Amino acid sequence: GDSVTQMEGPVTLSEEAFLTINCTYTATGYPSLFWYVQYPGEGLQLLLKATKADDKGSNKGFEATYRKETTSFHLEKGSVQVSDSAVYFCALSDHAGGYQKVTFGTGTKLQVIP
Amino acid sequence: DTGVSQNPRHKITKRGQNVTFRCDPISEHNRLYWYRQTLGQGPEFLTYFQNEAQLEKSRLLSDRFSAERPKGSFSTLEIQRTEQGDSAMYLCASTVAIDGYTFGSGTRLTVV
Repeated sequence: GDSVTQMEGPVTLSEEAFLTINCTYTATGYPSLFWYVQYPGEGLQLLLKATKADDKGSNKGFEATYRKETTSFHLEKGSVQVSDSAVYFCALSDHAGGYQKVTFGTGTKLQVIP
Repeated sequence: DTGVSQNPRHKITKRGQNVTFRCDPISEHNRLYWYRQTLGQGPEFLTYFQNEAQLEKSRLLSDRFSAERPKGSFSTLEIQRTEQGDSAMYLCASTVAIDGYTFGSGTRLTVV
């Protein structure tokens, strides 16, 4: 079945450092790919998405490119802030069956220190 | 409309008791999902509704779990005879198209 593998955390960075969180996926079809973010005590929020190969999703300075050849969707940000501290989930949606069931990775905790 | 609303935010219950959670989705969203998230893990799919019809249930959803969505509006998730292993965050999400979920803040269940 579908699965998502993302790098284990926690990831600790200094403010203004470059961020990469790796994500690879396995899917039988042609999924859409997502990054969700969960701040402490809150639910998940959609951060960005990409629906086809070579698409780049971007939001709030974060970017990720849908790489079909390497089945990857790595999250990057050029300069992190303390406010970016959260748990980041890579996810895919399988459109088989006509609905949008989403499979999540285990999450990567990011801690940004001043 | 302020998003997906879940109640209660926290629930502590004794083992063996029944609990019920409520989810109010975004009003124009016809698809509603329940997920369960345990500490250090990503959300796991439990069940899905399109309007009032429950179209899929995960094998994670034992016979003690039941979900409803009367009239295709709000949804309830009931757990009967709770066990300590049921302790988790229960998340509700809604969507109208293949466009990413909108999640609620979740209900954190603690079974003591």
